[in-house]
Amino acid sequence: SYVLTQPPSVSVAPGETARITCGGNNIGRTSVHWYQQKPGQAPVLVVYYDSDRPSGIPERFSGSNSGNTATLIIRRVEAGDEADYYCQVWDSGSDHPVFGGGARLTVL
Amino acid sequence: EVQLVESGGGLGQPGGSLRLSCVASRFTLGDYWMHWVRQVPGKGLVWVSRINTDGSSKFYADSVRGRFTISRDNAKNTLYLQMNSLRPEDTAVYFCGREGSGYYIDAWGLGTLVTVST
Repeated sequence: SYVLTQPPSVSVAPGETARITCGGNNIGRTSVHWYQQKPGQAPVLVVYYDSDRPSGIPERFSGSNSGNTATLIIRRVEAGDEADYYCQVWDSGSDHPVFGGGARLTVL
Repeated sequence: EVQLVESGGGLGQPGGSLRLSCVASRFTLGDYWMHWVRQVPGKGLVWVSRINTDGSSKFYADSVRGRFTISRDNAKNTLYLQMNSLRPEDTAVYFCGREGSGYYIDAWGLGTLVTVST
């Protein structure tokens, strides 16, 4: 099964740019989706198809994907962005989603 | 706004059974593939099962295949997960999710906690 690797934690000061990575073998050849999960809440899709945003997600959220690394980029970070972030790809061989281990974003 | 509400969680005995339900509202369940995803408290998201629109195709994680059964009643706008032969490692919050057009989950329920213990 495909393995996605995320850093356990990322810290950033308010107003700065956070970059949360998701590593996988040739991940640049597939679409990556990102979810935000705040404590005690359900995950929320924040980026799909590497860099598209669902309706209602601020333009501060974007993404990139190339080679062996996909990146969720959050500009002008706010205290309310503090959450766990999960990347996800599709395992076409087994026909199901695969999630990364999650990265906790801390706003200093 | 799309809504998914899970129920049926609680305390289950090892070797016992539980049935989870997920009621969908503000969209037509029968138009979408659906998923169950679980999360051990403090840990990451793990996919459990997937079902197509009419229930004729079902997929399972290796860890639950043969013990769990996913099903749906589109007339009742309800998704199910029958959990048999429960194990302590099945303890988790179980989320139902709606599959979007591009192999992602675009709507999630709040989850229901399943605890397997004596």
